[in-house]
Amino acid sequence: EADIYQTPRYLVIGTGKKITLECSQTMGHDKMYWYQQDPGMELHLIHYSYGVNSTEKGDLSSESTVSRIRTEHFPLTLESARPSHTSQYLCASSETRDRGTDTQYFGPGTRLTVL
Amino acid sequence: KNQVEQSPQSLIILEGKNCTLQCNYTVSPFSNLRWYKQDTGRGPVSLTIMTFSENTKSNGRYTATLDADTKQSSLHITASQLSDSASYICVVSDRGSTLGRLYFGRGTQLTVWP
Repeated sequence: EADIYQTPRYLVIGTGKKITLECSQTMGHDKMYWYQQDPGMELHLIHYSYGVNSTEKGDLSSESTVSRIRTEHFPLTLESARPSHTSQYLCASSETRDRGTDTQYFGPGTRLTVL
Repeated sequence: KNQVEQSPQSLIILEGKNCTLQCNYTVSPFSNLRWYKQDTGRGPVSLTIMTFSENTKSNGRYTATLDADTKQSSLHITASQLSDSASYICVVSDRGSTLGRLYFGRGTQLTVWP
């Protein structure tokens, strides 16, 4: 069982609200990731971090922002939520290993619905 | 265009039966291939990982195979149980970057009936 946590698990909010999805891991992993997943579709990387004070945008364009002030914490923020942001958001972490074989451990996800 | 294609999209089998899920990929250069299991409403959990030199890897009732020449992988589930009902995702990593970029398939939704 991976020690990676996400809150809230479910969130229903109105358009225009600012929200922050929390993600924390207790494994001391240097790398952390945020993915977006729609039903029946593949995961899309939206943000990642190699370590403290390191953040990069992923493959899928996203209006969200992230921060990595502490190793264990990688929150994702939407300044103004829209219905198009409705999706499942998955956080993951991994420990750097040789030849890119590091395994990503995923949190349980946050199901976001914007009305 | 998704570089990892999985089939079938969904599958229903009876408890106790075996099944095989397929994954074809075009990712290049290739680093490794993983199979993940994702229960409904949960995050994916790693089942197996195979590098270029490995052609089979087992984890209990799960056995993954890899043919790097034809760029195909399969996940075989033996003696299925109700708890095997989940989405099984094939993930391929390239060697093109420090991050080891991951390419995700859309998954095969497996349902095991009693």
